[in-house]
Amino acid sequence: DAGVTQSPTHLIKTRGQQVTLRCSPKSGHDTVSWYQQALGQGPQFIFQYYEEEERQRGNFPDRFSGHQFPNYSSELNVNALLLGDSALYLCASSDTGTAIRAFFGQGTRLTVV
Amino acid sequence: GESVGLHLPTLSVQEGDNSIINCAYSNSASDYFIWYKQESGKGPQFIIDIRSNMDKRQGQRVTVLLNKTVKHLSLQIAATQPGDSAVYFCAEASGFKTIFGAGTRLFVKA
Repeated sequence: DAGVTQSPTHLIKTRGQQVTLRCSPKSGHDTVSWYQQALGQGPQFIFQYYEEEERQRGNFPDRFSGHQFPNYSSELNVNALLLGDSALYLCASSDTGTAIRAFFGQGTRLTVV
Repeated sequence: GESVGLHLPTLSVQEGDNSIINCAYSNSASDYFIWYKQESGKGPQFIIDIRSNMDKRQGQRVTVLLNKTVKHLSLQIAATQPGDSAVYFCAEASGFKTIFGAGTRLFVKA
């Protein structure tokens, strides 16, 4: 079992650009949540996808959007990148339809220059 | 607003001793309280959770205590080992949303 896999592992983008991050959930999981983790801080909830729909959203602007595919994999898109978007982006999957006992991927380190 | 905070940013313990990591929360409506461990370069790893209607739950070498009166959560690690060195996050789940605290870094001295 490969667990939660995220790609790419590292990414450097220029301010104003757009980025897409990808996540494959743990086998058997149907719920994917995305988090942003700034250096030295705890993960901040961005949104959760279940049955291909965004079910709940944290305090993030509309520049952050996502998608879930029929195979439960997910993408996180960020438009008009700001320097402050530099962070570790974590994907978590769960099979309970909530976010409890979620399995996290290793994250994508995004650097905006 | 919603917040999950921690009492101590760092904790240093001797190998073999017990560790206690504390956390304060503010949202009384949370359904579950969860502890995660994050090692350097890795994503958070689930340790243990406790439902809001419980006050204690035990796992392998870990115990979580929930005091709803003072909105306090703690993680006890028995016989702390070098492999326990990491950042520990408390989190609260309400609905489909999980709110993380800032983390406590645990150092285990050999």
